Amino acid sequence: IAGITQAPTSQILAAGRRMTLRCTQDMRHNAMYWYRQDLGLGLRLIHYSNTAGTTGKGEVPDGYSVSRANTDDFPLTLASAVPSQTSVYFCASSPGPQETQYFGPGTRLLVL
Amino acid sequence: GQNIDQPTEMTATEGAIVQINCTYQTSGFNGLFWYQQHAGEAPTFLSYNVLDGLEEKGRFSSFLSRSKGYSYLLLKELQMKDSASYLCAVVDSNYQLIWGAGTKLIIKP
Repeated sequence: IAGITQAPTSQILAAGRRMTLRCTQDMRHNAMYWYRQDLGLGLRLIHYSNTAGTTGKGEVPDGYSVSRANTDDFPLTLASAVPSQTSVYFCASSPGPQETQYFGPGTRLLVL
Repeated sequence: GQNIDQPTEMTATEGAIVQINCTYQTSGFNGLFWYQQHAGEAPTFLSYNVLDGLEEKGRFSSFLSRSKGYSYLLLKELQMKDSASYLCAVVDSNYQLIWGAGTKLIIKP
């Protein structure tokens, strides 16, 4: 692994289903983030983690949960997907909370 | 509230110079980032300004005026590969990034 990876690349999901988006980084960065990007709205922060074992809510946390059991992994879970969660989801990491963020390739999610 | 303003779209000619502006109103200021994002790809880091003035990096330069809540990204000797969206983001008082919606730059031959 080099950098930050996300899985799956894309997914079509039925409304009401549970889904976990995976994110892994090998840069030993302390901070990790989940964003969603919708046309015309820019990146919006869903949840973040400044260090392993801690998480915080961003601008649009409702309907999403995260965990940070170790430094490398930061999964995002949609407990019961709704069509408004159709978006492109980007995971990012940075050495510290205010430092340069490095992005994964994104997951394109369509909820029907 | 917090707000980042950028033009939605700009068009420029290959070989020319273009300036992309960003104005911000945020709760605190701890730096400003510019990122480039090609269509269908992830954002990639271009520049970071925390002090007033101009930071030059090859064909790209970024300027910051904290008193005016203003930054710009200057791209020189434009190439077709510079066609992308350019995102402005401000680090607020909670050390979180507040993102603008991005400026889509179209380069014409």
